Amino acid sequence: NAGVTQTPKFRVLKTGQSMTLLCAQDMNHEYMYWYRQDPGMGLRLIHYSVGEGTTAKGEVPDGYNVSRLKKQNFLLGLESAAPSQTSVYFCASSYVGGQGYRPQHFGDGTRLSIL
Amino acid sequence: GQQVMQIPQYQHVQEGEDFTTYCNSSTTLSNIQWYKQRPGGHPVFLIQLVKSGEVKKQKRLTFQFGEAKKNSSLHITATQTTDVGTYFCAGTASNTGKLIFGQGTTLQVKP
Repeated sequence: NAGVTQTPKFRVLKTGQSMTLLCAQDMNHEYMYWYRQDPGMGLRLIHYSVGEGTTAKGEVPDGYNVSRLKKQNFLLGLESAAPSQTSVYFCASSYVGGQGYRPQHFGDGTRLSIL
Repeated sequence: GQQVMQIPQYQHVQEGEDFTTYCNSSTTLSNIQWYKQRPGGHPVFLIQLVKSGEVKKQKRLTFQFGEAKKNSSLHITATQTTDVGTYFCAGTASNTGKLIFGQGTTLQVKP
């Protein structure tokens, strides 16, 4: 059981280049999330999805786009990478239901550097 | 905006000493979750608290949810080197339904 798988694990881009980060989960979770983690800033939500075909903005959505064409996959796109987007990106997934958000399962992260 | 503040940001302790991190919200929370992230790793879910005044224990770890459901704490008794990492709280705001992560407390344990 793989859980949440992120690809790639590392990437170096030049300013202005584009790329897509892939997240796949095999737990049949409804909710999926993309976070970025920067030193001293904790985890900040970029975009999230509450189901196949739906996406919503989080706390820091500018410069990113997402798509959830299949329930198990959540893609994060950078159209024109900027050095400020250098960060560690985490994908997470969770069930829905109960009081508040359910516990999230995180992938191993993608370490992205923009030169 | 709604915030979840976590203190302290860093804590260095001698192995065997106790450790506590506190989480304070500007708004009432439906629940609070705690995660641990080892250096170079990803956050791993530890526990979820839902009820006002709730206390849960996991071996040497004790988690509390405040009576007003606006604060929480994680206490580790007799720290070990395996406790090293960053501990995050994350709360669901009752009025908006949004999940908000604290900035985390990084624990270093000296053997």
